[in-house]
Amino acid sequence: DAMVIQNPRYQVTQFGKPVTLSCSQTLNHNVMYWYQQKSSQAPKLLFHYYDKDFNNEADTPDNFQSRRPNTSFCFLDIRSPGLGDAAMYLCATSRRGGGGHEQFFGPGTRLTVL
Amino acid sequence: GESVGLHLPTLSVQEGDNSIINCAYSNSASDYFIWYKQESGKGPQFIIDIRSNMDKRQGQRVTVLLNKTVKHLSLQIAATQPGDSAVYFCAENIFSGTYKYIFGTGTRLKVLA
Repeated sequence: DAMVIQNPRYQVTQFGKPVTLSCSQTLNHNVMYWYQQKSSQAPKLLFHYYDKDFNNEADTPDNFQSRRPNTSFCFLDIRSPGLGDAAMYLCATSRRGGGGHEQFFGPGTRLTVL
Repeated sequence: GESVGLHLPTLSVQEGDNSIINCAYSNSASDYFIWYKQESGKGPQFIIDIRSNMDKRQGQRVTVLLNKTVKHLSLQIAATQPGDSAVYFCAENIFSGTYKYIFGTGTRLKVLA
């Protein structure tokens, strides 16, 4: 089945130790999104790629970076995780960014920072 | 703008009753909206969508209503079941240099047996 896959599902890292979360999709969608979701809050968009074009949200900290080496894969790099970065990180895709195209989510990666 | 909330509003509904979950969106130019269901520890799951040229759309047991005049969306769930217990989010598709989705605050639905 076509889907959005996130690995790992649970990630534990130490304060200040770089961590990378991965997302892959078999939908061949143009757009890939990364969201941060904290407990009892709505998903907050960090950035997204439209094909190879990177679009950063104005309030996304510089500590968060992303890479999209090909259509199928997208990575979220947290260069120096702080305790406040503990959250669920959600990857999503859509065929195109506008015109009413459904957005599909992966299961998320739960990040714990010790 | 982005929604930030520390406490999700909760709707408690008796099993078998109808549920109505409301959402206010921010941008009058938004042209597409999605309702998501999110169960604990899982990613959001698509329920139903609606385009801005419509004011009502029905699915299986769910109906979405759109009132563009007051920038309001609602999700109606008929004959609510225990499996409907989850957090529900609306998301609007907006253009701000590029198209993206902005989520509403969310509502926790609790189904009482």
